[in-house]
Amino acid sequence: DAGVIQSPRHEVTEMGQEVTLRCKPISGHNSLFWYRQTMMRGLELLIYFNNNVPIDDSGMPEDRFSAKMPNASFSTLKIQPSEPRDSAVYFCASSGGEASGRNEQYFGPGTRLTVT
Amino acid sequence: AQSVTQPDIHITVSEGASLELRCNYSYGATPYLFWYVQSPGQGLQLLLKYFSGDTLVQGIKGFEAEFKRSQSSFNLRKPSVHWSDAAEYFCAVVGSSASKIIFGSGTRLSIRP
Repeated sequence: DAGVIQSPRHEVTEMGQEVTLRCKPISGHNSLFWYRQTMMRGLELLIYFNNNVPIDDSGMPEDRFSAKMPNASFSTLKIQPSEPRDSAVYFCASSGGEASGRNEQYFGPGTRLTVT
Repeated sequence: AQSVTQPDIHITVSEGASLELRCNYSYGATPYLFWYVQSPGQGLQLLLKYFSGDTLVQGIKGFEAEFKRSQSSFNLRKPSVHWSDAAEYFCAVVGSSASKIIFGSGTRLSIRP
């Protein structure tokens, strides 16, 4: 299996622009998680889905952030409009399925976002 | 509420020395516990996990961890560290009926040549 796939790996954009991050979970996994990691705040859970349904979005910082999971193999995290304080590394992770143990998450390589 | 505490922000050990990274958790029932490692510029990789059974669990890269219910701890150990072990290490806990993992704040490990 290719593991969790994220794109792009790096994104540089100007303040006010829309940013879309993409994630393909491991096939057969039924839970998907979006995290943000910064030096100041560490690793933060933004939102997670079970069976494509958002379960907990309490970590989403504000309305500028939105996430969707239209099917079991694809999710997006959108920031509109972007601000410099959104600069961070965004990770996607997935869990579930017979191959993984109960609840352990597998992480993608992350997207490094820089907003100037 | 579930929580994880990693009391050491940064640890430096000499190459070849033994290592122990501390982790304390708070959870009412038997938790599922994990250790993840993050190398610079990389995502998090699962080192090992504890669900039940033998309280000493073996992981990848020569790491092991011991679950001690009486101390609410799940410390990570390695008998002899290598320079490639320099990374950030995260302890994590999840309840048996939940999907969401609670991560500790991480411990950065540096290796002295």
